[in-house]
Amino acid sequence: KAGVTQTPRYLIKTRGQQVTLSCSPISGHRSVSWYQQTPGQGLQFLFEYFSETQRNKGNFPGRFSGRQFSNSRSEMNVSTLELGDSALYLCASSLAPSTEAFFGQGTRLTVV
Amino acid sequence: AQSVTQPDIHITVSEGASLELRCNYSYGATPYLFWYVQSPGQGLQLLLKYFSGDTLVQGIKGFEAEFKRSQSSYNLRKPSVHWSDAAEYFCAVIRADRGSTLGRLYFGRGTQLTVWP
Repeated sequence: KAGVTQTPRYLIKTRGQQVTLSCSPISGHRSVSWYQQTPGQGLQFLFEYFSETQRNKGNFPGRFSGRQFSNSRSEMNVSTLELGDSALYLCASSLAPSTEAFFGQGTRLTVV
Repeated sequence: AQSVTQPDIHITVSEGASLELRCNYSYGATPYLFWYVQSPGQGLQLLLKYFSGDTLVQGIKGFEAEFKRSQSSYNLRKPSVHWSDAAEYFCAVIRADRGSTLGRLYFGRGTQLTVWP
């Protein structure tokens, strides 16, 4: 079956702009989490959604937001982009919280 | 507080040699434990998982990991490394706090594996 699909794969934005990243989980999976990966900070947790509800949120500013739809697809939004937001954003899906998570290929965001 | 520690930032081994990547966690109860592998520019691929039961877990690509509660460790091993194993390896845990079913993964900083031909 199809894996986790993240779109777009690559994105270049200018400081101050906003961006929306999309994640389609594995069919049947209802839990979606987002992570930011940078060389300096490693893998950092952004959000966790289950059944359209945000169940957990990492230590990121309010410029980072997300949501999950009834079909379990998820989007995350970053407003007022800063250079430091340049990173690989990874989405993970799982059947339910606390089960194994499967990751997408990521979206590489570059802010210039 | 650091939940997951991977003490080796970079390891170099010769092709055909054995491999052990170390992972320690700091958490009172038994967490759920995972190893992921990441090739450059790619996402994370799940190698193994441990929830309960047999402490020696077999994974994909010939990898295995052993959970040792007394040492709070979950080390990854492979008897004979192939050049294609060169990648970055991440240990991760889910902390089941007070019966919570939150699925947040806490990751180590990763170990970069280089394989010499």
